[in-house]
Amino acid sequence: DIQMTQSPSSLSASVGDRVTITCRASQSVSDYLNWYLQRPGQAPTLLVYTASSVQSGVPSRFSGSGSGTDFTLTISSLHPEDFATYYCQQTYTFPSTFGPGTKVEI
Amino acid sequence: EVQLLESGGGWVQPGGSLRLSCAASGFTFSAYAMNWVRQAPGKGLEWVSALGGSGDNRHYTDSVKGRFIISRDNSKNTLSLQMNNLRAEDTAVYYCARDIVLIPAAGGTWLDHWGQGVLVTVSS
Repeated sequence: DIQMTQSPSSLSASVGDRVTITCRASQSVSDYLNWYLQRPGQAPTLLVYTASSVQSGVPSRFSGSGSGTDFTLTISSLHPEDFATYYCQQTYTFPSTFGPGTKVEI
Repeated sequence: EVQLLESGGGWVQPGGSLRLSCAASGFTFSAYAMNWVRQAPGKGLEWVSALGGSGDNRHYTDSVKGRFIISRDNSKNTLSLQMNNLRAEDTAVYYCARDIVLIPAAGGTWLDHWGQGVLVTVSS
């Protein structure tokens, strides 16, 4: 199975900060890499698909980049509702696998 | 509006069985593959299973193969997960999630809508 890692595992930030989260795959996943946000007690929601395409309805402050094994999710200016846990997911091969998550805290 | 509503969760002893359901509305159910994803308490997300829109093309993660069965009833817009021989490590919130393709396949796919989840607790 393809192993996904994320860094950092958690970070402290303030409203208005620029935040970058990294996701790394144990082998190339091309650009088949998605990002999800999960707020406490809620279901995940899709942010970015195929590495850099922002899901309809997602604010433009979210962006994704990368290909192969290294990917980043960037939030250009943190809003209060962005304090949550972020997961990457590869769908290059079955089984699909998720990263362990990055918790963004105040 | 796409809606997914899971039900059927609860407490079960190790070795027992449970059947989860996911009622879908707001879209043409048979046109999309569907997935189950789970999250153990305080842990991350784990993909469990996927099923094509026609009810074929099943995929499972290794830890549930031979114990879980994914199925769907397109006439009732319902996705199911029959879970047998349950183990303590199956304890989790189980989410159903819509795929963006008809046939689950490796490649450019993602989960664009998720239900709110249902808790399954396996404990003696």
